[in-house]
Amino acid sequence: GENVEQHPSTLSVQEGDSAVIKCTYSDSASNYFPWYKQELGKGPQLIIDIRSNVGEKKDQRIAVTLNKTAKHFSLHITETQPEDSAVYFCAAPNYGGSQGNLIFGKGTKLSVKP
Amino acid sequence: DSGVTQTPKHLITATGQRVTLRCSPRSGDLSVYWYQQSLDQGLQFLIQYYNGEERAKGNILERFSAQQFPDLHSELNLSSLELGDSALYFCASSARTSGGWEQFFGPGTRLTVL
Repeated sequence: GENVEQHPSTLSVQEGDSAVIKCTYSDSASNYFPWYKQELGKGPQLIIDIRSNVGEKKDQRIAVTLNKTAKHFSLHITETQPEDSAVYFCAAPNYGGSQGNLIFGKGTKLSVKP
Repeated sequence: DSGVTQTPKHLITATGQRVTLRCSPRSGDLSVYWYQQSLDQGLQFLIQYYNGEERAKGNILERFSAQQFPDLHSELNLSSLELGDSALYFCASSARTSGGWEQFFGPGTRLTVL
């Protein structure tokens, strides 16, 4: 099955700075990589995902990049705001492909200081 | 709001007891996944159902069982509860979108075993 590693475990930035969270995966057959944001007391919320036929995807201040050769993908948040403070999880599908259960990284606690 | 509902929101019980957690997927989603989130283990996949049939199993204990009913709601049954079963339990549902299976999480059930 898949194995996902996520770094860093905690990240503190000043408001307006950029934040980058990195993940690596093990199964070269995986082709779908979602990112989730979990606020205190809530369930994980899908914020962006990328599929293996593209190298980068942007949605306003959030972008995700994928390097299939190196088997890593990253989340980039620009112009961070206090409301970006949360725990972020990367994930990859188990048993390759894009279907089925997800294997999650351990999470990154992002703190944005005003 | 993801459209996935879970009840109850909180559950406090004693060791040795049995509880049932309930999940209603988004309208039209056929797949339901159960995940356990504890502080030291992160988000762990337990079990997946697709249209009433068990599709995949993770590290689900023998004391735990689940089922998906004809109306597609799902229940997770936890028995002979131990202190270590205290955790957040999330349900997610998915439907195929272009290129992948996005999973949407419910708000979770916080289980406390005393």
